[in-house]
Amino acid sequence: EAQVTQNPRYLITVTGKKLTVTCSQNMNHEYMSWYRQDPGLGLRQIYYSMNVEVTDKGDVPEGYKVSRKEKRNFPLILESPSPNQTSLYFCASSLSVGGGNTIYFGEGSWLTVV
Amino acid sequence: AQTVTQSQPEMSVQEAETVTLSCTYDTSESDYYLFWYKQPPSRQMILVIRQEAYKQQNATENRFSVNFQKAAKSFSLKISDSQLGDAAMYFCAVGGSQGNLIFGKGTKLSVKP
Repeated sequence: EAQVTQNPRYLITVTGKKLTVTCSQNMNHEYMSWYRQDPGLGLRQIYYSMNVEVTDKGDVPEGYKVSRKEKRNFPLILESPSPNQTSLYFCASSLSVGGGNTIYFGEGSWLTVV
Repeated sequence: AQTVTQSQPEMSVQEAETVTLSCTYDTSESDYYLFWYKQPPSRQMILVIRQEAYKQQNATENRFSVNFQKAAKSFSLKISDSQLGDAAMYFCAVGGSQGNLIFGKGTKLSVKP
C-alpha cells in the first residue's frame, strides 16, 4: 500500500529541546516536502527536496532543518523549538517535481511546544 | 509568486442540496495545476479533484465538479447531492513547476440533515 508515514503523530515538548519528526515513503518518490498548517492560514511549505541530497527552502523555513540522505526518508528537525512552532505538520511526496504529479500526504503530526 | 484566495471561511448546505465553494488564484506560471483537497476532522488530506490548466474541459469526479475560468483565474468546486460525510474543511491549491502547492486558507463546510 502506497504510504507516507510520519512519526510521532502527537508530541508535546518544551522550548529549546531538539526534536526530529521522521517521514518515510514507500513509493520511490523523488520529491518530498514538509508543510505546516495553522488555523486561518491553510498549509504552508517549510522545505522541499527534489532528490537525495537536494533540498531547498519553502515559504516558512525559519527554525527548521531537513536532510535527505536516502530517497525514502525526509526528516524535519527543530533544533531549538519555540512556542510559535506549535502546529500540525504534514509530510508529502510525489513521483517527481512538477505540478501534474499526484501528491501523497502523511497523516500529520501534532506538535505542541510549551 | 502564486496566491490562492478562498473568500468564504464557512459555508452551510442542506443534505441532498448543491453547494459551490469559491476559489480565485494568481500565478505567473503558464503551466500549472489546480486542486481541491478535503480535510475531515481526522485532519487527513484527501484529494477531491484536479484540473490541468491547459485543459478547457472542467474536471468531474462523481458528485464533485469544478467551474474553471482561466481568464478570470477562478476555480470553484460544486458538490451535488451533498451528504453528511461531505462536512469538512476544503482547501483550494495551485501547483506549479517547482512541485510545491500554494493553499488557500480553507472553507469549512457544514452539512445539515
